Amino acid sequence: EVQLVESGGGLVQPGRSLRLSCAASGFTFDDYAMHWVRQAPGKGLEWVSGITWNSGSIGYADSVKGRFTISRDNAKNSLYLQMNSLRAEDTALYYCAKARRLPAAIQDAFDIWGQGTMVTVSS
Amino acid sequence: EIVLTQSPGTLSLSPGERVTLSCRASQSVSGSYLAWYQQKPGQAPRLLIYGASSRATGIPDRFSGSGSGTDFTLTISRLEPEDFAVYYCQHYGSSPITFGQGTRLEIK
Repeated sequence: EVQLVESGGGLVQPGRSLRLSCAASGFTFDDYAMHWVRQAPGKGLEWVSGITWNSGSIGYADSVKGRFTISRDNAKNSLYLQMNSLRAEDTALYYCAKARRLPAAIQDAFDIWGQGTMVTVSS
Repeated sequence: EIVLTQSPGTLSLSPGERVTLSCRASQSVSGSYLAWYQQKPGQAPRLLIYGASSRATGIPDRFSGSGSGTDFTLTISRLEPEDFAVYYCQHYGSSPITFGQGTRLEIK
């Protein structure tokens, strides 16, 4: 079964850091680009970041650029999101998502999603 | 950045009806790199349509997508009870990838 399982969320104070992880199974992880998407409570979807199969191309939303860093470890079938200088507006459910087809471009639809991990930034 | 505007915000319909959802882009979406997702409460989004008109694996043929350039539509030919959800369009032809604000489809 193709599966993505996120972890690492929690309650964190503004200005602090948090690292999210996404464990992939049921498919050849290094054949696909991967993404993080977030959803604030009661709000819509916001793309956060994407990374190609070999980490050769990476993209970020302007709202997180310079604060968040996406990475992957293909040997561990895992995707990560290092979040620094967290703000209240970063409070959201963070989803890991698999690109549908392309390994070498982040411009792709997302065909598999995890169930998300909640990040709450509050003092 | 391409801004996607979905309309209407909310639709109230009955099972069996036909519905068309709209997604308008602030500039042309290259290569028709436009997708549609369905999200039900407490669930992750599900990919319905990619490339503006191609159905994703396992999606019933009552769902269809069309459009190009800046105007795209998602049509559900005959609503089933499980289709009442929030629908999002997404452009992925360039960075940053963006989503529309969503259309909520509710039972009348």
